[in-house]
Amino acid sequence: DGGITQSPKYLFRKEGQNVTLSCEQNLNHDAMYWYRQDPGQGLRLIYYSQIVNDFQKGDIAEGYSVSREKKESFPLTVTSAQKNPTAFYLCASSSDRDRYNEQFFGPGTRLTVL
Amino acid sequence: AQSVSQHNHHVILSEAASLELGCNYSYGGTVNLFWYVQYPGQHLQLLLKYFSGDPLVKGIKGFEAEFIKSKFSFNLRKPSVQWSDTAEYFCAVTSGSYNTDKLIFGTGTRLQVFP
Repeated sequence: DGGITQSPKYLFRKEGQNVTLSCEQNLNHDAMYWYRQDPGQGLRLIYYSQIVNDFQKGDIAEGYSVSREKKESFPLTVTSAQKNPTAFYLCASSSDRDRYNEQFFGPGTRLTVL
Repeated sequence: AQSVSQHNHHVILSEAASLELGCNYSYGGTVNLFWYVQYPGQHLQLLLKYFSGDPLVKGIKGFEAEFIKSKFSFNLRKPSVQWSDTAEYFCAVTSGSYNTDKLIFGTGTRLQVFP
């Protein structure tokens, strides 16, 4: 059953701690993305990666970091430098062979900073 | 830079009412257009998409959208909504270039349908 998995579903962290969100896909997609969703603001792109070992900043990359060591995995670290980290985080992927960039989404991780 | 505007932030309808959600984009070149839906507690999923050809596209669950190039619009419609259509709807656009441009999302429209 192909798809995108994100874990955990809910995550709580204390201020000043770094936390890593997991994203795995078995769709054999080349490109992967991280978005942040806040009420009334839609989805905003944090980072994206079009190929293993390479990634680019999106519109709101400050306070976040990523790695892409494997095609299937694109973990996102929310660092203590992120001033307002409480949000819903969505991971997505798309195929390099799809010129129209249709993206498929995971179920999301809701991060709450206490 | 590309941008997407969804003017209806929150829409409340009764079952069987007709629906039209507005979406306008700013980009002068060839675009690919998408509507995504997020049902409560579920993944964001594709409702329909437009790349080229017939400007009236049909999606899942009876939804359709019309691309009007002169108005830079891609409004979503459904003749008769159901309670199960309660969800958040996002319009998104990317340029026609080969997988090089990012997907730009609108701020979303929250639809509530009451029985």
